[in-house]
Amino acid sequence: DQQVKQNSPSLSVQEGRISILNCDYTNSMFDYFLWYKKYPAEGPTFLISISSIKDKNEDGRFTVFLNKSAKHLSLHIVPSQPGDSAVYFCAASHGGATNKLIFGTGTLLAVQP
Amino acid sequence: DAGITQSPRHKVTETGTPVTLRCHQTENHRYMYWYRQDPGHGLRLIHYSYGVKDTDKGEVSDGYSVSRSKTEDFLLTLESATSSQTSVYFCAISGDRVEQFFGPGTRLTVL
Repeated sequence: DQQVKQNSPSLSVQEGRISILNCDYTNSMFDYFLWYKKYPAEGPTFLISISSIKDKNEDGRFTVFLNKSAKHLSLHIVPSQPGDSAVYFCAASHGGATNKLIFGTGTLLAVQP
Repeated sequence: DAGITQSPRHKVTETGTPVTLRCHQTENHRYMYWYRQDPGHGLRLIHYSYGVKDTDKGEVSDGYSVSRSKTEDFLLTLESATSSQTSVYFCAISGDRVEQFFGPGTRLTVL
């Protein structure tokens, strides 16, 4: 049973517009949510995170929104740039002593010039 | 960038042979993880370590073993490689915070 789901395998957006990537989860015990970005032939890089006690976290062009009642989070990228084209993974943490993360399957974002 | 290296970066091997992948960190982080990435599955945890000689299984641990004899090194061993273990393998590390930092990956092909 997949606890973290990214139902859109791909997304195409025009440069300068907003990109919205979505993620759903099933376990209400998750206490942190993270987004990672991955370019081909590289390891994932940490982008932004949000604690379950917050509903929004912003870092430059990137904003993550958390809707706990819907068990849904989203990553907004404004404005989108061609260099943002990558696979985006959302991840969730149970917390505790091991810092284990559970990842979604990823969404491939293509930003068209 | 976190100091994480993986070796080898690419490997082709034959079914039934043992394979060991190495992850090396220079951050002195307590936690280390091995993941595999496959199309349609995202990143799946194989094994993780929460200290020297302290390891535990992840969700896809069958066919894999790990060892951590020093803080900086975390080894992943495929005792007898199978074609289903063809994948890209990532090592990650974390300290006191929840964020994990990933290495560049090892592409393994089992023929």
